[in-house]
Amino acid sequence: GAGVSQTPSNKVTEKGKYVELRCDPISGHTALYWYRQSLGQGPEFLIYFQGTGAADDSGLPNDRFFAVRPEGSVSTLKIQRTERGDSAVYLCASSPLAGGGNEQFFGPGTRLTVL
Amino acid sequence: DAKTTQPTSMDCAEGRAANLPCNHSTISGNEYVYWYRQIHSQGPQYIIHGLKNNETNEMASLIITEDRKSSTLILPHATLRDTAVYYCIVANAGNMLTFGGGTRLMVKP
Repeated sequence: GAGVSQTPSNKVTEKGKYVELRCDPISGHTALYWYRQSLGQGPEFLIYFQGTGAADDSGLPNDRFFAVRPEGSVSTLKIQRTERGDSAVYLCASSPLAGGGNEQFFGPGTRLTVL
Repeated sequence: DAKTTQPTSMDCAEGRAANLPCNHSTISGNEYVYWYRQIHSQGPQYIIHGLKNNETNEMASLIITEDRKSSTLILPHATLRDTAVYYCIVANAGNMLTFGGGTRLMVKP
């Protein structure tokens, strides 16, 4: 079956620009997570949605980052005024339900490069 | 969330069992132990998880000590395609995953 998909697979932008990264979760999964992974490190949590609402956004690094999931399915991570330090692989995962005992299924990630 | 401690790297001969240890001495009662792996340039892949009992699936076995302070992931017959970074994670009820540095497993022919 179809897994989690993310678009674009690669995004190159210039410092100061605005970017949007898209995540299509597995159909029917109510929980959706965003992580980012810098080179040589493990993924870091950013935000998770239960349905349409952000249940925990404590991992967002600052107010240039925000994410939406208006219909409880597709999610978009938006980064304003990008900085070179935002360069990373942005990973999305979905899960049937949030809560202990439910595994997360990850997409292939979007590699963001800020020049 | 409780933190985990894993060896930085391990080697294993192809066809042999790979035993990857993890310490999670501050795990709390409602936290699960999850194992994920990440092959180069791919997203993390779920392997297995458990709460108290040992678990087995088609990929691996998970052995959790009785006091839940440590666990071992066992790949019974490692292949070259099992070369990856393996992450041991303990997760709370919100299921947000906190990844540490993981163990880089190198399976050698």
